[in-house]
Amino acid sequence: AQSVTQPDIHITVSEGASLELRCNYSYGATPYLFWYVQSPGQGLQLLLKYFSGDTLVQGIKGFEAEFKRSQSSFNLRKPSVHWSDAAEYFCAVGPPGSNYKLTFGKGTLLTVNP
Amino acid sequence: DAGVIQSPRHEVTEMGQEVTLRCKPISGHNSLFWYRQTMMRGLELLIYFNNNVPIDDSGMPEDRFSAKMPNASFSTLKIQPSEPRDSAVYFCASSGLAGGRYNEQFFGPGTRLTVL
Repeated sequence: AQSVTQPDIHITVSEGASLELRCNYSYGATPYLFWYVQSPGQGLQLLLKYFSGDTLVQGIKGFEAEFKRSQSSFNLRKPSVHWSDAAEYFCAVGPPGSNYKLTFGKGTLLTVNP
Repeated sequence: DAGVIQSPRHEVTEMGQEVTLRCKPISGHNSLFWYRQTMMRGLELLIYFNNNVPIDDSGMPEDRFSAKMPNASFSTLKIQPSEPRDSAVYFCASSGLAGGRYNEQFFGPGTRLTVL
């Protein structure tokens, strides 16, 4: 069965600092990989996705993520965090070619200090 | 364009009562998903519809839960009778499937359900 682990429940960074959120997955093959962001009281918004090809993917809001097959990881990064980035971030995996059956991690809550 | 619309945004009810959650997907999308989010279990897929037909309901926790999609623009998730452990945020999401290729799921704002 596929699973997603986000080791950090809560991360606090200062505005302007760099950010890396970790995501590890367990899956029999290379899955489709996603990062979503959830602002308070809102639904989830897709930040970026990886299907195949270039292992460094760019997303919205200045985020990027790198797929590392050897480490079964798909970590999310941002060079300089803005106060508006404070939210909860979810990593998700899905079967290649499938439109559904996403498995989500438990999320990482990001707090940004001024 | 309006996104996925869910109603109500908040629902407080008493144990044993029937609860109906509503969702209007994005116009033109042919896939609809119901998710439940709790602190303990995170975000779980309850049921998936494609072209108004339930394709996978393996995530529905028990017979007290039922979902319908009578047309392409409306879906309901019903809990009868409700129990305190059903308290959660319920999300509806929709996507437009094109030739079997994956398309992004767009999430609604969620319904926060509290069962007393």
